[in-house]
Amino acid sequence: GENVEQHPSTLSVQEGDSAVIKCTYSDSASNYFPWYKQELGKRPQLIIDIRSNVGEKKDQRIAVTLNKTAKHFSLHITETQPEDSAVYFCAASKGGSYIPTFGRGTSLIVHP
Amino acid sequence: ETGVTQTPRHLVMGMTNKKSLKCEQHLGHNAMYWYKQSAKKPLELMFVYNFKEQTENNSVPSRFSPECPNSSHLFLHLHTLQPEDSALYLCASSQVTGVDTEAFFGQGTRLTVV
Repeated sequence: GENVEQHPSTLSVQEGDSAVIKCTYSDSASNYFPWYKQELGKRPQLIIDIRSNVGEKKDQRIAVTLNKTAKHFSLHITETQPEDSAVYFCAASKGGSYIPTFGRGTSLIVHP
Repeated sequence: ETGVTQTPRHLVMGMTNKKSLKCEQHLGHNAMYWYKQSAKKPLELMFVYNFKEQTENNSVPSRFSPECPNSSHLFLHLHTLQPEDSALYLCASSQVTGVDTEAFFGQGTRLTVV
């Protein structure tokens, strides 16, 4: 089955800095890569996703890049703010049945 | 709100108790999932139901028993649990079509086994 590795497990930055979270996947057939944000005590919510026919996608301060050859994808957050503090999960899935395999999560802490 | 509701939000149970977790979605989705979230571990997929049929059971112990009476409701029946089963149990739903779509999560049930 699919195996998703996520690094780092904890990331601490100063407000205004950039943050990068990296994930690798094992199944070359995976073609959908969502990122979820889980604030303390809340449910995971989708913040951005990318499909295998696209190399990069951007939404305001958040961007995701995908390297299919290397089987890795990354989340980039620019101009971080304290409200960006949360656990971020990457995931990978394939085919028409959405059953994502999640990474271990990255706890992002943005210091004001 | 995402339209996925889980009850109860918190549950404390003894190892000999029997309890059930409930999940309800009002999004018209045809797939529902149970995930287990423990400290410092990834989201672990437990069960998947597509069109009310169980399609995946990831080696989950028999003390966890799912039930999906219709496409809007999903239950997780618990009995003779162990302390290591204490975790956040998340329900999610999605629309399974030819195009991958977003999974919507419920708030979760925080389970403590004593």
